[in-house]
Amino acid sequence: QSVLTQPPSVSAAPGQKVTISCSGSSSDIGNNYVSWYQQIPGTAPKLLIYDNDNRPSGIPDRFSASKSGTSATLDITGLQTGDEADYYCGVWDTSLSARVFGGGTRLTVL
Amino acid sequence: QLHLQESGPGLVKPSETLSLTCTVSGGSISSSNYYWVWIRQPPGKGLEWIGTIYYSGSTYCNASLKSRVTMSLDTSKDHFSLKLSSVTAADTAVYYCASPDSSSATYYKYWGQGILVTVSS
Repeated sequence: QSVLTQPPSVSAAPGQKVTISCSGSSSDIGNNYVSWYQQIPGTAPKLLIYDNDNRPSGIPDRFSASKSGTSATLDITGLQTGDEADYYCGVWDTSLSARVFGGGTRLTVL
Repeated sequence: QLHLQESGPGLVKPSETLSLTCTVSGGSISSSNYYWVWIRQPPGKGLEWIGTIYYSGSTYCNASLKSRVTMSLDTSKDHFSLKLSSVTAADTAVYYCASPDSSSATYYKYWGQGILVTVSS
């Protein structure tokens, strides 16, 4: 059971937009920076977003994220088949003194 | 640009100790600019943080694993290690080493490719 709650799966057609949510609490998302990772099956996770809404160099601006209160969201626009992957949110949990991740969301591009 | 590479046995017997090494290139493991992390992912499941070790050698571990985890640095070889004792089938997972791009970062920019460790007799 993950501390952070994500929908198990989302899907949309190529070219469309999808939103992935990550719900937490005041001890994690509410007071710490959120990061997002993309994991194509069989490969290591890749950093997509850091510090709530920042993209590392090389990440397309089709990927964006935000945080409000104890929830965070990842938006992906102009969906491509190559975006099919699992997406994880991650944050430090102050009460647990531990890094925690969401359970992951499988994105299917129909 | 850091490069991380896990190594170790792919098969461990129940009750024995899992030992993995992460070799770092492109940066010094003793640099205060980074910290070093172990994360695992059971087959078909999500990511689980195992623990963090700093250049000073201080460590922080997942409370659920703390009694079984030992992490260390070997600055002469630019690698850091994980030992997980008394393993069971539940410890079967892909184990990743990772690090941020600065010591103050709260995210993991660099990841190893991962190593599958199976616990089975």
